[in-house]
Amino acid sequence: EIQLQESGPGLVKPSQSLSLTCSVTGYTITSGYDWSWIRKFPGNKMEWMGYISNSGSTNYNPSLKIRISITRDTSKNQFFLQLNSVTTEDTATYYCARWVEQLGFAYWGQGTLVTVSS
Amino acid sequence: DIVLTQSPALAVSLGQRATISCRASQSVSISRYNLMHWYQQKPGQQPKLLIYRASNLASGIPARFSGSGSGTDFTLTINPVQADDIATYYCQQSRESPPWTFGGGTKLELK
Repeated sequence: EIQLQESGPGLVKPSQSLSLTCSVTGYTITSGYDWSWIRKFPGNKMEWMGYISNSGSTNYNPSLKIRISITRDTSKNQFFLQLNSVTTEDTATYYCARWVEQLGFAYWGQGTLVTVSS
Repeated sequence: DIVLTQSPALAVSLGQRATISCRASQSVSISRYNLMHWYQQKPGQQPKLLIYRASNLASGIPARFSGSGSGTDFTLTINPVQADDIATYYCQQSRESPPWTFGGGTKLELK
């Protein structure tokens, strides 16, 4: 069974970088599909942030393009989110998820709450 | 960006039909494919895929859930509503990327 699990600091200071890891088990991230980061803000708004494909190419939400980077470590079957210059408005629950073309986000991690505060 | 609009909340009685709508700011259909998907999220849990491509039931989802629509107007129907269905429901489009976008969510509540 495919499982995704987010990990990383729960508290980040304003102007610093947010870094999260998504560990995938039950499927090799280089075998197929696109691997996304999605966040849900307080108040329920959800935002797709970007993905890294099985081949390593990336696609980012233009609203984040100058601050975001998604990378991977294929030896550990992990992919990563880095979001630079965070503000309190980046406080959200961050999810990693697997995207299948035309079939939606069928697999999600449990989510991790990141609070940006001094 | 394609903006998806959902009503914030819907109150329904157990055993009745719930109809949740999602309207897109532009068409999310390509030829015969309607690129709208629906998710259920309960408090403290991750979203769960219910419906893909507007009307296809995801694996393991009960048949009381169904989806319909094309172009800019889509509907998720739950019939009959059970207590376990109380949650927030999101639509999401994949017609245009980047970015894929989500609706604001509809909270299903008991009347």
